[in-house]
Amino acid sequence: EDQVTQSPEALRLQEGESSSLNCSYTVSGLRGLFWYRQDPGKGPEFLFTLYSAGEEKEKERLKATLTKKESFLHITAPKPEDSATYLCAVHPNTGGFKTIFGAGTRLFVKA
Amino acid sequence: DGGITQSPKYLFRKEGQNVTLSCEQNLNHDAMYWYRQDPGQGLRLIYYSQIVNDFQKGDIAEGYSVSREKKESFPLTVTSAQKNPTAFYLCASSQGVEQPQHFGDGTRLSIL
Repeated sequence: EDQVTQSPEALRLQEGESSSLNCSYTVSGLRGLFWYRQDPGKGPEFLFTLYSAGEEKEKERLKATLTKKESFLHITAPKPEDSATYLCAVHPNTGGFKTIFGAGTRLFVKA
Repeated sequence: DGGITQSPKYLFRKEGQNVTLSCEQNLNHDAMYWYRQDPGQGLRLIYYSQIVNDFQKGDIAEGYSVSREKKESFPLTVTSAQKNPTAFYLCASSQGVEQPQHFGDGTRLSIL
C-alpha cells in the first residue's frame, strides 16, 4: 500500500536553530514529491516539486532534498514567521489522479 | 490575481440537511479536487475532476456529491448520508495530475 509518513509530528525550535523535517514514502514508483506550507485556517501553499533521487531545490531558508525512500526539508536559521505546518505529498507511478499526503509536521519557531 | 476561491469560510449543518460548498478557480486549470482534512491526518481525496462533465470518486466519496458544469466551478455537496461531516474542506486545482496543486483557503463545516 502506498504510504507517506512525516516526522516529527511537531518540532519546536529557537530562532536561528537549524533543523530538518523528514518525509518517508513507500510507493511503487515515484512520479513526483511535493512540499507545501500550511498556515492555520488556510489552504496549503506550494513550495517545491522533486522528481528524482539526488535532486535539490532551495527557496530562502528552505532546502528540499530527495532520496529513493525519503525527502528532507532543511530549515536554515529559521525565523518565527517560518512557523507553520509543512506537508509532504507523493504522486505514485501507479498512475491515476491520486496524490498521497502525509499528516504534516507542525513547526514552531520561538523568538 | 489568479487563484481559487472557496465559500463560505464557515458553514453549519443541521441534522438531515444537505449543504453545498463552493469552489471557483480562474487559473484555467482542467483538473480540480476536493479534499477533507481532519486533525492528525493527511488530506484525503473526496472527488476529482479532469474535465467538464466528468468526475471520479476518491477514497472517501460516500455521503458526498459533486458537479462540474463549468471549467471554473466544482461545487461539493455534503449530503445527510455523511454521518461525520465535521472537518476542514479544501478545494484544489492543477494543470495536470503530475503538477503541483493550488489550494483555496478552505471551508470549515460544523454540525449544529
